[in-house]
Amino acid sequence: DAMVIQNPRYQVTQFGKPVTLSCSQTLNHNVMYWYQQKSSQAPKLLFHYYDKDFNNEADTPDNFQSRRPNTSFCFLDIRSPGLGDAAMYLCATSRIQGRGDTEAFFGQGTRLTVV
Amino acid sequence: GQSLEQPSEVTAVEGAIVQINCTYQTSGFYGLSWYQQHDGGAPTFLSYNALDGLEETGRFSSFLSRSDSYGYLLLQELQMKDSASYFCAVWNSGAGSYQLTFGKGTKLSVIP
Repeated sequence: DAMVIQNPRYQVTQFGKPVTLSCSQTLNHNVMYWYQQKSSQAPKLLFHYYDKDFNNEADTPDNFQSRRPNTSFCFLDIRSPGLGDAAMYLCATSRIQGRGDTEAFFGQGTRLTVV
Repeated sequence: GQSLEQPSEVTAVEGAIVQINCTYQTSGFYGLSWYQQHDGGAPTFLSYNALDGLEETGRFSSFLSRSDSYGYLLLQELQMKDSASYFCAVWNSGAGSYQLTFGKGTKLSVIP
């Protein structure tokens, strides 16, 4: 009964080759977040969707894009992965209804390796 | 911008009590959360404080002082399985949305 599902768990991609990571949720939450986490570092927010509204963090490189075709799915596209983009990518959801929520639910993450 | 400060590492003995402090600076503060993350795993929710005071959930308690921009996580009766990284994270609101920003994490090592 996984609630936030990320596929694949492990992804190997070639330097410069576009790659897409996916996230789906069964919680019907209206907010979906993408975080990048490098080894021994904190999860870093890349961007999030509040319903269909996209919110990009100021320091997120243009190389990272996202799509949310419907409530359940959200994708992270890395247009030209570099070696520095190797990391764990975490998807999370929360429910915001006129006020903030108290908990974000995380998927198990996709570990991206760039070769 | 936002900043969160917490100790990078803490070591404690099994059965003991440990407190992990967190100070933050942010605009649009809404609440403070704590997450646990084991190596290779996803962050899992531990607690949330929106108002001043102490919240208790089993062996874990979390405290918030909004006036001091300070909170802490208290872990009691430490067990070996509590060895993990603990992140404080602030919810802040702005531009009609809410985002969760993490501190750098505290690596807790529980020793026999």
